[in-house]
Amino acid sequence: GAVVSQHPSWVICKSGTSVKIECRSLDFQATTMFWYRQFPKQSLMLMATSNEGSKATYEQGVEKDKFLINHASLTLSTLTVTSAHPEDSSFYICSGVGAGGRVTDTQYFGPGTRLTVL
Amino acid sequence: LAKTTQPISMDSYEGQEVNITCSHNNIATNDYITWYQQFPSQGPRFIIQGYKTKVTNEVASLFIPADRKSSTLSLPRVSLSDTAVYYCLVGDPMDSNYQLIWGAGTKLIIKP
Repeated sequence: GAVVSQHPSWVICKSGTSVKIECRSLDFQATTMFWYRQFPKQSLMLMATSNEGSKATYEQGVEKDKFLINHASLTLSTLTVTSAHPEDSSFYICSGVGAGGRVTDTQYFGPGTRLTVL
Repeated sequence: LAKTTQPISMDSYEGQEVNITCSHNNIATNDYITWYQQFPSQGPRFIIQGYKTKVTNEVASLFIPADRKSSTLSLPRVSLSDTAVYYCLVGDPMDSNYQLIWGAGTKLIIKP
């Protein structure tokens, strides 16, 4: 199956600093990538949809100036959490959907990044 | 988007067959049903997808009745490693919001 990687797998940072998380599709071209956030014992919450070469679409309530998303190529999307605060501590997961337009395209998920803001 | 309802949790024992049912009463004509598995601190993993009747792959079967208002994920002969949260999602793959709304899922605990 298609493989998506994330880096780093975990990160601890001080309040007020910025953190960049990379999401890569290793064996397919992801025309669309999604970024989710998951708090402990809760379900996934979509943050934004990222299409290669265009601006990301953010879900209601997600601050686009705080969570910067860049999808510069068909295999790489990045999420930068700017001026992180303890309430931003969470598990961040990306997923990619391949090109091809198959009716049964599914999302392929990365392993997630655990962010802890002190 | 069709709303899904699943049991919050289920218990079973190694070697048993486990069936997890998902209700989706307002499923639309073009909607597919997809199941994902998630282990703690990992991203979800695709298990199976179907539109109607029965779909089977190397890890699970998906049963969908004629009215498509529910579906059942069947895991044959579970092991301890099948302990995870299982999510049922319903949506039109051609819809830009496909599979983006996740319910609470079913926490499956397998006991020895």
